[in-house]
Amino acid sequence: GQNIDQPTEMTATEGAIVQINCTYQTSGFNGLFWYQQHAGEAPTFLSYNVLDGLEEKGRFSSFLSRSKGYSYLLLKELQMKDSASYLCAAQTGANNLFFGTGTRLTVIP
Amino acid sequence: DTAVSQTPKYLVTQMGNDKSIKCEQNLGHDTMYWYKQDSKKFLKIMFSYNNKELIINETVPNRFSPKSPDKAHLNLHINSLELGDSAVYFCASSKGTSGIETQYFGPGTRLLVL
Repeated sequence: GQNIDQPTEMTATEGAIVQINCTYQTSGFNGLFWYQQHAGEAPTFLSYNVLDGLEEKGRFSSFLSRSKGYSYLLLKELQMKDSASYLCAAQTGANNLFFGTGTRLTVIP
Repeated sequence: DTAVSQTPKYLVTQMGNDKSIKCEQNLGHDTMYWYKQDSKKFLKIMFSYNNKELIINETVPNRFSPKSPDKAHLNLHINSLELGDSAVYFCASSKGTSGIETQYFGPGTRLLVL
């Protein structure tokens, strides 16, 4: 079966760095996606990793270890607008995305 | 200019009714999807179509029937609505299904069954 785990909630301070972890167990694995979802809105694409290592995109970075079934999303210089849910998703087979339940991040002043 | 659009945005209806949700994408993508997000915010794939052909059909009651008249449209028809169908339904699209393809989501349709 497919199983994706990530923390339910996290809180961090404006300007700080936060790391959101995700572990996955899937049958067939192509890559790992991270999406951001603000309350009442659609998920929006942040990043994906196919190979092991770190992918950096501005204030956001994502890491993947295929052998460990592990990924993290790193958010630097946190801003209030970063308060949202962050969804980890494993892609399998024919572009099938299996999502975790999301991590709700609250950024406080 | 909306890339993936859905109608209606909100849908409130009685148990037992039949309703449809429409989705259109103007990105020129070949693949479209329907997802259901429940009250616990768990986002789960329901169907996927590539060039109007069904390629993913997760365990979904057969009261749900997707229809793709062309590759830019994927509609979802739901028969005999039940209370448990209340959720947000998201449509998404991607270029194709080979390799890593980013999926782009529509704004969602909030369905409430009374």
